[in-house]
Amino acid sequence: ETGVTQSPTHLIKTRGQQVTLRCSSQSGHNTVSWYQQALGQGPQFIFQYYREEENGRGNFPPRFSGLQFPNYSSELNVNALELDDSALYLCASRRDGNTEAFFGQGTRLTVV
Amino acid sequence: GEDVEQSLFLSVREGDSSVINCTYTDSSSTYLYWYKQEPGAGLQLLTYIFSNMDMKQDQRLTVLLNKKDKHLSLRIADTQTGDSAIYFCAEEGATNKLIFGTGTLLAVQP
Repeated sequence: ETGVTQSPTHLIKTRGQQVTLRCSSQSGHNTVSWYQQALGQGPQFIFQYYREEENGRGNFPPRFSGLQFPNYSSELNVNALELDDSALYLCASRRDGNTEAFFGQGTRLTVV
Repeated sequence: GEDVEQSLFLSVREGDSSVINCTYTDSSSTYLYWYKQEPGAGLQLLTYIFSNMDMKQDQRLTVLLNKKDKHLSLRIADTQTGDSAIYFCAEEGATNKLIFGTGTLLAVQP
């Protein structure tokens, strides 16, 4: 149990729809990162938020966006869903300056 | 560029040692990590090593780092069936983002 919780655990959406995934960070962690893990692959970095500001982004299009709230919880929004967006989406939180990132259990998104 | 490579599969017998290998490309990485992922679960941090170290031991786990060759390995002593999982090597890039390999599936035969 890492103290990082994600919701929902599973989700099915139709191509073209929009989706919001949520992450509750471990207490005291002010940095949250999101990763996409396609089946059979390693996680790919989407973006990172520190104190409500995006401070790093991977190779993902603008239809992937995020928010971090004052309580350090976070959202990942994906617009205009495509079939290839089907994946496990992982959230990780860490305390600024700490090496260990704690991962949630992930949200399994299926786009049909 | 940033790239992390791992072999896809390793099979060992219970009680034997397992060695999982990884190569990375970013010589500026400060930390290198090993994560474990069980089916349907998130990632569990097993151990990490600072880039100026050659070796780190933590109970049954031993991490070896060859910075010149950009090679990282994880040795699991006395491997148990509960160690069956996918193991990911990751390097820490700019802004603390983690760059993961494709993972090594470890199968432990009883």
